[in-house]
Amino acid sequence: QSALTQPASVSGSPGQSITISCTGTSSDVGSYNLVSWYQQHPGKAPKLMIYEVSKRPSGVSNRFSGSKSGNTASLTISGLQAEDEADYYCCSYAGSSSLIFGGGTKLTVL
Amino acid sequence: EVQLVESGGGLVQPGRSLRLSCAASGFTFDDYAMHWVRQAPGKGLEWVSGISWNSGSIGYADSVKGRFTISRDNAKNSLYLQMNSLRAEDTALYYCAKAMGTTFFDYWGQGTLVTVSS
Repeated sequence: QSALTQPASVSGSPGQSITISCTGTSSDVGSYNLVSWYQQHPGKAPKLMIYEVSKRPSGVSNRFSGSKSGNTASLTISGLQAEDEADYYCCSYAGSSSLIFGGGTKLTVL
Repeated sequence: EVQLVESGGGLVQPGRSLRLSCAASGFTFDDYAMHWVRQAPGKGLEWVSGISWNSGSIGYADSVKGRFTISRDNAKNSLYLQMNSLRAEDTALYYCAKAMGTTFFDYWGQGTLVTVSS
């Protein structure tokens, strides 16, 4: 069970769009449309942003979107805002009642 | 309002045991799977274990398999994590999380800190 691979950091200016990738294997991301994304601000509990690859929970801005191609899932944030600066984690079902997280990506809004 | 309140963390010596609890309220506890997720200081999230609504399906991360046991008491709206043979690398903030659809988490507690050190 190796962690899903995410870039350590990404950055963008207010108003721009950024994409965070999450690469797994054919045993996890590639096999199931069960990828979720979480936002975590310092000292806070994670918050669900995207589930089942591309679905947005009620209350989450439509600036956040998700997609998947093969073994790689992606989170796109459009119209970057200062409050989007946070750590982002992907998570995938990996079979046999197990889940696996990505290593996390620190988003900096310049 | 959904609330998840973890307890039971603390400082423990390597090789010893600790039992974490999570008290749930604000939703029908026995309708949902529940999970434990941990975060070592300054590190990322790591899924630890999950349990289905009726305890019929349980999973563990390889890193804790054979040492940790997850359980729940639906009558008490509580989730537990029995942690045995603790190691320094188990030091982390342990979050209790409510699952929606079993594979993602819509509510998280604030966590309880476990420190394994001599």
